[in-house]
Amino acid sequence: DAGVTQSPTHLIKTRGQQVTLRCSPKSGHDTVSWYQQALGQGPQFIFQYYEEEERQRGNFPDRFSGHQFPNYSSELNVNALLLGDSALYLCASSLLLGGKAYNEQFFGPGTRLTVL
Amino acid sequence: QKEVEQNSGPLSVPEGAIASLNCTYSDRGSQSFFWYRQYSGKSPELIMSIYSNGDKEDGRFTAQLNKASQYVSLLIRDSQPSDSATYLCALRVGGGADGLTFGKGTHLIIQP
Repeated sequence: DAGVTQSPTHLIKTRGQQVTLRCSPKSGHDTVSWYQQALGQGPQFIFQYYEEEERQRGNFPDRFSGHQFPNYSSELNVNALLLGDSALYLCASSLLLGGKAYNEQFFGPGTRLTVL
Repeated sequence: QKEVEQNSGPLSVPEGAIASLNCTYSDRGSQSFFWYRQYSGKSPELIMSIYSNGDKEDGRFTAQLNKASQYVSLLIRDSQPSDSATYLCALRVGGGADGLTFGKGTHLIIQP
């Protein structure tokens, strides 16, 4: 049973550049959530995708955007990178069953983004 | 505003003892609660979920939830050096598969 996968593992960019991160959910899951984890902090919710639409968004600017594909995989795009965007970006997958309240989220290994 | 508070530690516990990790939260509408373990340089790993008041046991782990007092705790019995990690408390206010709100985590050190 394949778990959540993310690519790339590490990425180095310079300020002002754009970056795309990728995630494939756990087999059988249909919902992908993205989180940003700065050093020494807990993960912060960016947004969530279900049925190829953004269904919920955290307190992040429009520079952060995403997409979900028909096979449930997802991309996170960040434009106009700032030094403060340096963090571990985590993808979590879950299964949304008609509003079931207790969906557990499972994380991928993350992408370490460094902005210079 | 959803807030989750944890003591950042480090919490040092001798091997074989019980480690007790605590978490308080501010939003009384919180419905689902989770404990994740995160080793240094790795991603969070789900170890426990709890949704109703009371205790939930899974192996050496026991999660405790008290919604009236707005706290959730995690007990680790027979602590092992491999339990040394950061433990993240997370909650979901809404139903469905809404995004989680995390605390900053407690750094646990199990001393051999």
